[in-house]
Amino acid sequence: AQTVTQSQPEMSVQEAETVTLSCTYDTSESDYYLFWYKQPPSRQMILVIRQEAYKQQNATENRFSVNFQKAAKSFSLKISDSQLGDAAMYFCAYRSPLSGTYKYIFGTGTRLKVLA
Amino acid sequence: GAGVSQSPSNKVTEKGKDVELRCDPISGHTALYWYRQSLGQGLEFLIYFQGNSAPDKSGLPSDRFSAERTGGSVSTLTIQRTQQEDSAVYLCASSLAGQGRADTQYFGPGTRLTVL
Repeated sequence: AQTVTQSQPEMSVQEAETVTLSCTYDTSESDYYLFWYKQPPSRQMILVIRQEAYKQQNATENRFSVNFQKAAKSFSLKISDSQLGDAAMYFCAYRSPLSGTYKYIFGTGTRLKVLA
Repeated sequence: GAGVSQSPSNKVTEKGKDVELRCDPISGHTALYWYRQSLGQGLEFLIYFQGNSAPDKSGLPSDRFSAERTGGSVSTLTIQRTQQEDSAVYLCASSLAGQGRADTQYFGPGTRLTVL
């Protein structure tokens, strides 16, 4: 069974600095999808970025980028020029692409604090 | 357009009472998920609906939990004879497909359930 591990329960970053949140996963599949979701205090989960495992290029979305290391089964999220609004819980998630398989496996989350 | 909505936003109930949590998915989304998020934990899959197919109830923690999806749209999660360990945030998400190539889940704001 697939598992997702986020080993950093909490991280802090100074405003305008860069922070990296780590995520590792375990799977025997060669093709899959990885996601980072943000959950601010409002509880609304928001998709930050997604990565298809068959793509070698790391996904980027504005200030957010990932470092996808398929062999190491690592999927870290880098936030550049951190802003106060980035403070939230961040969840890493895995999804199999197999037809009929629809479950997302979530990590336990990393709470990011942004210091002014 | 409108996102996923959930009601109520907060629910406080007494141990032993029944509760109903409602989810209105994005119009046209055929897949609907329910998750439970306990304090400091990740998201725990509860149940999945896809179109007219039989739902996957494999994540429901006990027979006190049940869910319906009427007309392929609105879903209701019912917890009977609530226990204190049922206290959590219950999140609903919907997506276009739910199978095959990964689709993006859109989450509602959740219902915070407190069982006294």
